[in-house]
Amino acid sequence: DVKVTQSSRYLVKRTGEKVFLECVQDMDHENMFWYRQDPGLGLRLIYFSYDVKMKEKGDIPEGYSVSREKKERFSLILESASTNQTSMYLCASSSPRGDRKSYEQYFGPGTRLTVT
Amino acid sequence: KQEVTQIPAALSVPEGENLVLNCSFTDSAIYNLQWFRQDPGKGLTSLLLIQSSQREQTSGRLNASLDKSSGRSTLYIAASQPGDSATYLCFPGGYQKVTFGTGTKLQVIP
Repeated sequence: DVKVTQSSRYLVKRTGEKVFLECVQDMDHENMFWYRQDPGLGLRLIYFSYDVKMKEKGDIPEGYSVSREKKERFSLILESASTNQTSMYLCASSSPRGDRKSYEQYFGPGTRLTVT
Repeated sequence: KQEVTQIPAALSVPEGENLVLNCSFTDSAIYNLQWFRQDPGKGLTSLLLIQSSQREQTSGRLNASLDKSSGRSTLYIAASQPGDSATYLCFPGGYQKVTFGTGTKLQVIP
């Protein structure tokens, strides 16, 4: 069974802290994504990566950075957490190659981050 | 860049009704289209995947159709149950940058 896992389901951090959210997929997917989800705003893309060490900004990259040192792992970093980064964070992966299910998106369970 | 709109934003129906959720997208050059459900505070669970060459896909009481040329997809839920209550999102595959809508929040009343 394919899987995308996220390091924490719930996280509480203080303003100014550096925060790491980890995402791991076991499907050998090239593409990985980080979204945040807020009530009334839907899913918004923060960053995505289409290969190891490659990254591209999504719609709301400000205040975030990412790291992809290995194909299976994609990390989202909040350099200095702020209260407006309190949100649900969702990781996803997909593959542009392979069988007829290419580009099928698989989502992780989400991390609910609260910054106080 | 692909943008998605889902109508209605919210829907409340009595148990047993058949219902249709609508999804429209701006660029018809998609690889596939997925329908997801999301329960409160949880991640997205994939329900159906329609390939770009297909017109529809069925799974149990769910039937999804795709009209790629007009940029539309519908999700038909037959004989709705309270357990169907969730937010439903559609996702056109093949793009990195997709602007999602907020989905359709469905409430099935016993």
